[in-house]
Amino acid sequence: EPEVTQTPSHQVTQMGQEVILRCVPISNHLYFYWYRQILGQKVEFLVSFYNNEISEKSEIFDDQFSVERPDGSNFTLKIRSTKLEDSAMYFCASSGTRDTQYFGPGTRLTVL
Amino acid sequence: GENVEQHPSTLSVQEGDSAVIKCTYSDSASNYFPWYKQELGKRPQLIIDIRSNVGEKKDQRIAVTLNKTAKHFSLHITETQPEDSAVYFCAASIGRGSYIPTFGRGTSLIVHP
Repeated sequence: EPEVTQTPSHQVTQMGQEVILRCVPISNHLYFYWYRQILGQKVEFLVSFYNNEISEKSEIFDDQFSVERPDGSNFTLKIRSTKLEDSAMYFCASSGTRDTQYFGPGTRLTVL
Repeated sequence: GENVEQHPSTLSVQEGDSAVIKCTYSDSASNYFPWYKQELGKRPQLIIDIRSNVGEKKDQRIAVTLNKTAKHFSLHITETQPEDSAVYFCAASIGRGSYIPTFGRGTSLIVHP
């Protein structure tokens, strides 16, 4: 069964540095999402992407965040200047229909 | 925006017992309700979902019920097993463009052998 994959599994960075989190969605899916989950808390929506553009974004997704689909398979989340409070697990998800979403294994981001 | 409340935060049962997790939502326009199971350090996995044109859905030991009038939905797990131990998240989403789920805070289910 195809799955969403994410790299790296764990990223450690210094405050103020840029990070890029990578995702490979399920190949025939059209809708892509990023979520974050601070340790012990619920999953929070960041952004959705369809037809090569952002379709929705949350208040968390400010100017420090950007997403890109640089080729036909990858979907990336960039954080321009990381803050301590960006430390969280970041999940990518994809869906073929508009509703059912499948999550990747996550990237644990630690900002020191 | 949508607000999803989930109870209880922790649920401890004996193997073989049933477990029920309840969620309420605030926006009557919500029409898609997925449930995710998340084992420690793993990805959330969709276990069952229900759409607003259906009142109940069952898949083996798992069932979900939806009461649109009361704006609440529940997950029922029968004959629980230790491998059911995980955090369960409910979510509600409105189908305008993308279906962006608003998640509940999660229920930590512990099944004692």
